[in-house]
Amino acid sequence: GAGVSQTPSNKVTEKGKYVELRCDPISGHTALYWYRQSLGQGPEFLIYFQGTGAADDSGLPNDRFFAVRPEGSVSTLKIQRTERGDSAVYLCASSPRGGAGQTQYFGPGTRLLVL
Amino acid sequence: QKEVEQDPGPLSVPEGAIVSLNCTYSNSAFQYFMWYRQYSRKGPELLMYTYSSGNKEDGRFTAQVDKSSKYISLFIRDSQPSDSATYLCAMNQGAQKLVFGQGTRLTINP
Repeated sequence: GAGVSQTPSNKVTEKGKYVELRCDPISGHTALYWYRQSLGQGPEFLIYFQGTGAADDSGLPNDRFFAVRPEGSVSTLKIQRTERGDSAVYLCASSPRGGAGQTQYFGPGTRLLVL
Repeated sequence: QKEVEQDPGPLSVPEGAIVSLNCTYSNSAFQYFMWYRQYSRKGPELLMYTYSSGNKEDGRFTAQVDKSSKYISLFIRDSQPSDSATYLCAMNQGAQKLVFGQGTRLTINP
């Protein structure tokens, strides 16, 4: 079956601009996660959705970052007033449901470059 | 100090060698331990998953968890050039977010 898909695969923007990154989870998966991976580093957690609600947004670095999942499926990560330090690969993952011991399946990521 | 420490390498070994990859961690509440493989410009894919302490084997891969030492390992036997990738350890305590190591870049030379 289809895995997690993310669009766009690459995004180049200018400092100060607004960007939206989209994640399409595996069909039927109720849990969705966003991570950010800087060059040469492991992924770092940003936010976790269970259904439509953000169950844990403790990883969002500041109020320029926001994410939604209005219908419990597709999610959009929104970054306002982008900064050069936001350049990274943004990864989305989904799992069948939330809770302990659930395998997270990752998408290919969106590579964001802020000039 | 990071919660999960992993030597970034790079690590380069000849084809057929046994590879040992390791992570240490500081949070004794971690209970679920994973190894992900990440090819260049791809997302991480799950290789091995272990709950609590012990060993788990899957083909050429063996994962070990020693909670008393806060130390986990991944062994790759009969390594192949196709195993060349970045290997990420990850763990959590039952909460949903994964905490990753930095990743070890591995190259298997034919």
